[in-house]
Amino acid sequence: DIQMTQSQSTLSASVGDRVIITCRASQNISVWLAWYQQKPGKAPKVLIYKASTLESGVPSRFSGSGSGTEFTLTISSLQPDDFATYYCQHYNSDSWTFGQGTKVEVK
Amino acid sequence: TLKESGPTLVKPTQTLTLTCTFSGFSLTTSGVGVGWIRQPPGKALEWLALIYWDGDKRYSPSLKSRLSITKDTSKNQVVLSMTNMDPVDTATYYCAHLDWLLFNFWGQGTLVTVSS
Repeated sequence: DIQMTQSQSTLSASVGDRVIITCRASQNISVWLAWYQQKPGKAPKVLIYKASTLESGVPSRFSGSGSGTEFTLTISSLQPDDFATYYCQHYNSDSWTFGQGTKVEVK
Repeated sequence: TLKESGPTLVKPTQTLTLTCTFSGFSLTTSGVGVGWIRQPPGKALEWLALIYWDGDKRYSPSLKSRLSITKDTSKNQVVLSMTNMDPVDTATYYCAHLDWLLFNFWGQGTLVTVSS
């Protein structure tokens, strides 16, 4: 089974900061990776799919990159609404595997 | 939209049955599916099961022996059953719409507590 690892469980940042969240796959997953944002008490919301494609309606300050086993989610200028937990997820037609999540908190 | 329903409290060893009732899409459309994902309090998301528009099913390998997913297209419902519930299965259970492999719409979730 493929494992997804987010090495940063918590990331402290300030409004306006550039934030980079990393995700590593245990084997090559090409670009089959999505990023989700989840706020307390709410369902996750997809931000990025196919590693770098921005979901419709998601602000352009969010971007994704990577392929193979190393991926990043970048928030170019952190906004107050962006304090949340972010999950990477590998997907294919047989299984969907989430990372452990990275919580972005106020520094 | 999607909405989960079912018991909020189950006893250990019991079987949990959750229903996802959806609207705004058809589970007969090619590429569409409905999946179940859970999240223990304060922990990460875990995918459980998925059913495709054509009836094909997928299960988490670690839970496959305990899970069953079915659909009733006429009622716009997907049902998840999980046997032999344990306190570690306490979690918020979400159903979500799958569109070409991506969970792009989610229900609000339902908290299920396993306790005697």
